[in-house]
Amino acid sequence: SQKIEQNSEALNIQEGKTATLTCNYTNYSPAYLQWYRQDPGRGPVFLLLIRENEKEKRKERLKVTFDTTLKQSLFHITASQPADSATYLCALDIILTGGGNKLTFGTGTQLKVEL
Amino acid sequence: EAQVTQNPRYLITVTGKKLTVTCSQNMNHEYMSWYRQDPGLGLRQIYYSMNVEVTDKGDVPEGYKVSRKEKRNFPLILESPSPNQTSLYFCASSIRHAGELFFGEGSRLTVL
Repeated sequence: SQKIEQNSEALNIQEGKTATLTCNYTNYSPAYLQWYRQDPGRGPVFLLLIRENEKEKRKERLKVTFDTTLKQSLFHITASQPADSATYLCALDIILTGGGNKLTFGTGTQLKVEL
Repeated sequence: EAQVTQNPRYLITVTGKKLTVTCSQNMNHEYMSWYRQDPGLGLRQIYYSMNVEVTDKGDVPEGYKVSRKEKRNFPLILESPSPNQTSLYFCASSIRHAGELFFGEGSRLTVL
């Protein structure tokens, strides 16, 4: 069956360190992958998109990698700050067997950055 | 300011009492979608619309209806709400199908 897996356990790190979040998937061949940030009780906010033919994408302190062989994306936040504390969602653009495509979300990983 | 606006933000209702959650976007996006978010299950798509008068079922459409009469509006209708529809609902829009999504602030619905 098709699955998108993100760590359900919260990730706690110290301020200033690099946070690394993982998104693994099985039985999908996504054309691209997106990462979103969600604060409690708020709607998700788009952060980054990476295409299948891109290995790495950066935006300020954020970096995303996409390994279609390992079926994995890593999301890094360097020099993390308490304000980075949130839940981070990955979403895969899935090509449907009947044609078309859709965005399917993982359940998210909660990140807590401590002083 | 570019935004997706949902109303109401919070609602407590009773089983069987029809309700509508409105969604409006001001970005001239063609694609709009409704999701529900439940603990441990993540965001699940209810319905989506590729353009005016074009709607289609997502992963969990049972018990819901939608309409897309205008480009900016995409209301979610619960004809006869049941307690298993208690959830946090999000409307989202995108310039195109499966592109970057802009989400509303969410509508927390409780059905007693």
